[in-house]
Amino acid sequence: QKEVEQDPGPLSVPEGAIVSLNCTYSNSAFQYFMWYRQYSRKGPELLMYTYSSGNKEDGRFTAQVDKSSKYISLFIRDSQPSDSATYLCAMMGGSEKLVFGKGTKLTVNP
Amino acid sequence: DAGVIQSPRHEVTEMGQEVTLRCKPISGHNSLFWYRQTMMRGLELLIYFNNNVPIDDSGMPEDRFSAKMPNASFSTLKIQPSEPRDSAVYFCASSQTRTSLQETQYFGPGTRLLVL
Repeated sequence: QKEVEQDPGPLSVPEGAIVSLNCTYSNSAFQYFMWYRQYSRKGPELLMYTYSSGNKEDGRFTAQVDKSSKYISLFIRDSQPSDSATYLCAMMGGSEKLVFGKGTKLTVNP
Repeated sequence: DAGVIQSPRHEVTEMGQEVTLRCKPISGHNSLFWYRQTMMRGLELLIYFNNNVPIDDSGMPEDRFSAKMPNASFSTLKIQPSEPRDSAVYFCASSQTRTSLQETQYFGPGTRLLVL
């Protein structure tokens, strides 16, 4: 079993839809959870960052962490065509090593 | 700040040739990471440095790969000899690591390597 599992999609939604992206993980030592957004032919950029369990909201984006289920989610409300990108979850335990999911490719259609 | 700078942006080479990828981290950052991204395996950490010292190279695939960080503003990833299966996008990232705070990793634009 890989440490981090992420459905690669692709996911295609109409503009304005609510998008749900998810990752599961197996390493209970992970405490820091991130979502990166990667546009085509660009490097990943940090979108959301949470520590331990709970929710974090930033504009149209909400990140949720459920450590008991080893499950994290990213919700995008009122999705826009500019949100079209690949979204990668990433996790970190006691070291600086980030472990990434393989990414979910999202397309928001106008 | 210019962000993380990588060169070259694209590299096409023939099997057996030596390839050198270069990275300049963000000024003031003390950790540097080399990643490889492929469709099959996603984004994988190859090696990371802290204060110019290699901390974990367990992700380096084999002896053909080597990385150096001679000073705080420059790192190289070398593949010798290169093979077609090394074709991927190679990213460099840097971060400012403090004792009790995990900091964000900032990624460069990547080097697209194609080995024929």
